[in-house]
Amino acid sequence: SQQGEEDPQALSIQEGENATMNCSYKTSINNLQWYRQNSGRGLVHLILIRSNEREKHSGRLRVTLDTSKKSSSLLITASRAADTASYFCATLYTGANSKLTFGKGITLSVRP
Amino acid sequence: NAGVMQNPRHLVRRRGQEARLRCSPMKGHSHVYWYRQLPEEGLKFMVYLQKENIIDESGMPKERFSAEFPKEGPSILRIQQVVRGDSAAYFCASSPDFVGNEQYFGPGTRLTVT
Repeated sequence: SQQGEEDPQALSIQEGENATMNCSYKTSINNLQWYRQNSGRGLVHLILIRSNEREKHSGRLRVTLDTSKKSSSLLITASRAADTASYFCATLYTGANSKLTFGKGITLSVRP
Repeated sequence: NAGVMQNPRHLVRRRGQEARLRCSPMKGHSHVYWYRQLPEEGLKFMVYLQKENIIDESGMPKERFSAEFPKEGPSILRIQQVVRGDSAAYFCASSPDFVGNEQYFGPGTRLTVT
């Protein structure tokens, strides 16, 4: 299976702390994307990082990509209770005909 | 600009009935994707369509499932003779012309088979 794997499966932190989530994948990619899903809702796109990029920022989000290790990390700084959600990484594999492959997700709980 | 719309939001079917799930992509988007999500699981790709064409259906079960995206109207995911194992959340996403970019997701249809 080419499915990416997120780590940890669940994360619980205090409001104000930073949250770091990791994603590993198996073969070469065109890009890697992070999505958020609030309970009972659809997914919301957070950030996309291309295979030739190493780091990207968007507000309180910072994503890194290490293609040599086939891994990515998502850092949420100064977390808020509203960040409580499931986070998924999705990879677009080279030659995948635009099909995104999602991991099983990380459940983040931010305690107020 | 309305987002991706899906209806119904909740659908209950008895075993053996048919389920029809509808998806209207964002305005200007010509690519539609269907995913299935089981509880505590990630999204599983089912099918990728462009107007009047199925591009990739490698994630679709071989039987009972079909999808279309006609020239006019929404994309339809059709499940015939539903079984309890079909109970899941079905999400539709759309993207603009350039494939491989971010996808915009609808709120999902939660199918329950009794």
